[in-house]
Amino acid sequence: DTAVSQTPKYLVTQMGNDKSIKCEQNLGHDTMYWYKQDSKKFLKIMFSYNNKELIINETVPNRFSPKSPDKAHLNLHINSLELGDSAVYFCASSYGTGMNNQPQHFGDGTRLSIL
Amino acid sequence: SQQGEEDPQALSIQEGENATMNCSYKTSINNLQWYRQNSGRGLVHLILIRSNEREKHSGRLRVTLDTSKKSSSLLITASRAADTASYFCALGQAAGNKLTFGGGTRVLVKP
Repeated sequence: DTAVSQTPKYLVTQMGNDKSIKCEQNLGHDTMYWYKQDSKKFLKIMFSYNNKELIINETVPNRFSPKSPDKAHLNLHINSLELGDSAVYFCASSYGTGMNNQPQHFGDGTRLSIL
Repeated sequence: SQQGEEDPQALSIQEGENATMNCSYKTSINNLQWYRQNSGRGLVHLILIRSNEREKHSGRLRVTLDTSKKSSSLLITASRAADTASYFCALGQAAGNKLTFGGGTRVLVKP
């Protein structure tokens, strides 16, 4: 059983398009995250939600809009895709109220390529 | 920098040898975590060590933490080809509620 699953695994699209990535966790965790991993493997937090409420919102262009319909799901919508958005996007989840003292469980990533 | 910096960036060893990688940081932390990432996969949590702990073990993994030197090390003993992966340290900073990840150490274990 996949604990944190995100779809799609690969996403190839044209500049200017709008796309969504979905994430679901079946671990019963309270907190979910979106990370961006660049070509040099640096992983940066984008957003974090605790029980459907936004608790971390890093300096991310407002073209990126997360949505959490319930605590098991955190989706990421990206408007007007740009070349610089090409990266691997990871969803993660953890117990607790979004503090940083819990292990995080990651999905296998969505590889976004902008043509 | 608020993120950890891993050293070395890359490491190549023979199967059976030990692999050691280090993480240095500059901020105050509540805990430090180590993760493994296999090629094309997500990160997998290995060990969490709290700021009041000095050493933790998990199977063939040994993590140390020296808060006075602001550094941590991850030792993999008797390495196997399956240990080939990137290893990341992540800082649970005392201020704030997020983990900040370093750029990782790429470990290649040759059979």
